[in-house]
Amino acid sequence: IAGITQAPTSQILAAGRRMTLRCTQDMRHNAMYWYRQDLGLGLRLIHYSNTAGTTGKGEVPDGYSVSRANTDDFPLTLASAVPSQTSVYFCASSDSSETRDLSFGPGTRLTVL
Amino acid sequence: AQSVSQHNHHVILSEAASLELGCNYSYGGTVNLFWYVQYPGQHLQLLLKYFSGDPLVKGIKGFEAEFIKSKFSFNLRKPSVQWSDTAEYFCAVNPPGGNNRLAFGKGNQVVVIP
Repeated sequence: IAGITQAPTSQILAAGRRMTLRCTQDMRHNAMYWYRQDLGLGLRLIHYSNTAGTTGKGEVPDGYSVSRANTDDFPLTLASAVPSQTSVYFCASSDSSETRDLSFGPGTRLTVL
Repeated sequence: AQSVSQHNHHVILSEAASLELGCNYSYGGTVNLFWYVQYPGQHLQLLLKYFSGDPLVKGIKGFEAEFIKSKFSFNLRKPSVQWSDTAEYFCAVNPPGGNNRLAFGKGNQVVVIP
């Protein structure tokens, strides 16, 4: 089934620990994105990648890093987690050639204690 | 700062009532506009989108939205809601030069009472 998969589904993490959220898409979309969703704040863009090999910073990049070694995968890493990074994280992708809307993954619910 | 505004974060209404959710943006130039819906426990799904042409856009599940350029608005409407429309609704804008890096509003939590 075509789409975006994210792992893990949920995670509880101690502050200071390193964590990588995984995102894989099989639609051969050029662009990929990481958003965090917080109650009352909507979705905010963390990092993005317009194409494999390139990445860029979004609205709230601090404390996060990404890589885009190939078209399909776009992992998000928290080098040293803090409680303010407790959130639901959504990976998304788009075929930047025409449709210009985003397809979203199921999300990862992360709790940092 | 450039932004996307959604008002009335919490909306409670009865089945068969009409729904209208406001969305205003502050970007100049040509924008692409979207409404996404997030049902409880699910990920975001596209309801409808506007790129160009007819400013009245029809989406899935009986939703429609009207782009009014002079008001920088893209309001979402449904004439008669159902219990299954209980969800959170997000307006999003792809601003000029945004390269699909959508800016989202804070969302409207809609609860439909049977």
